[in-house]
Amino acid sequence: GENVEQHPSTLSVQEGDSAVIKCTYSDSASNYFPWYKQELGKGPQLIIDIRSNVGEKKDQRIAVTLNKTAKHFSLHITETQPEDSAVYFCAASSRRSGSARQLTFGSGTQLTVLP
Amino acid sequence: NADVMQNPRHLVRRRGQEARLRCSPMKGHSHVYWYRQLPEEGLKFMVYLQKENIIDESGMPKERFSAEFPKEGPSILRIQQVVRGDSAAYFCASSPLEARGSGANVLTFGAGSRLTVL
Repeated sequence: GENVEQHPSTLSVQEGDSAVIKCTYSDSASNYFPWYKQELGKGPQLIIDIRSNVGEKKDQRIAVTLNKTAKHFSLHITETQPEDSAVYFCAASSRRSGSARQLTFGSGTQLTVLP
Repeated sequence: NADVMQNPRHLVRRRGQEARLRCSPMKGHSHVYWYRQLPEEGLKFMVYLQKENIIDESGMPKERFSAEFPKEGPSILRIQQVVRGDSAAYFCASSPLEARGSGANVLTFGAGSRLTVL
């Protein structure tokens, strides 16, 4: 089955700096890669996603890049703000048993933006 | 997250009791997923259901855990004879019918149900 590894597990940046979180996946058939933000005591919220027919996608201060050959994808947050502090999860959609596609999540990155 | 409704938000049970967690998907969503999150860990897939059907339960423990999504009413995750190791946050997510060929189910998560087993 799919295995998603995420690094780093913790990341501290100064306000205004950029943050980069990287993930690798194992299943070459995976074709959908969302990123979720989880604030303390809340459920994960989708912040951006990318499909395998695209190499890069940007939404304001957030961008995601995908390298299908190397099987890795990254989240880039520019001009970080204290409210960006949260746990970020990457995920990959792959086909599990039977015909159903499922999301396999990375282990998460605790991002802290220091004022 | 408020559109996927989970209750209770917090549940405390003693060892050996039963826990029932409920999830109402977003309006128009016909697929429900349950994930478990242990403290300071990622989300682990448990089960995927459509109305009256279990599509994939490969992530569910073989014993004590069951899930259903009846024709009417919310999806229910049931844990019988709970043990301390069941203490976790249980998240429900829903998605619309997967468009043919899209190859992806975009999930919207609820706020979670936090189970504590004493």
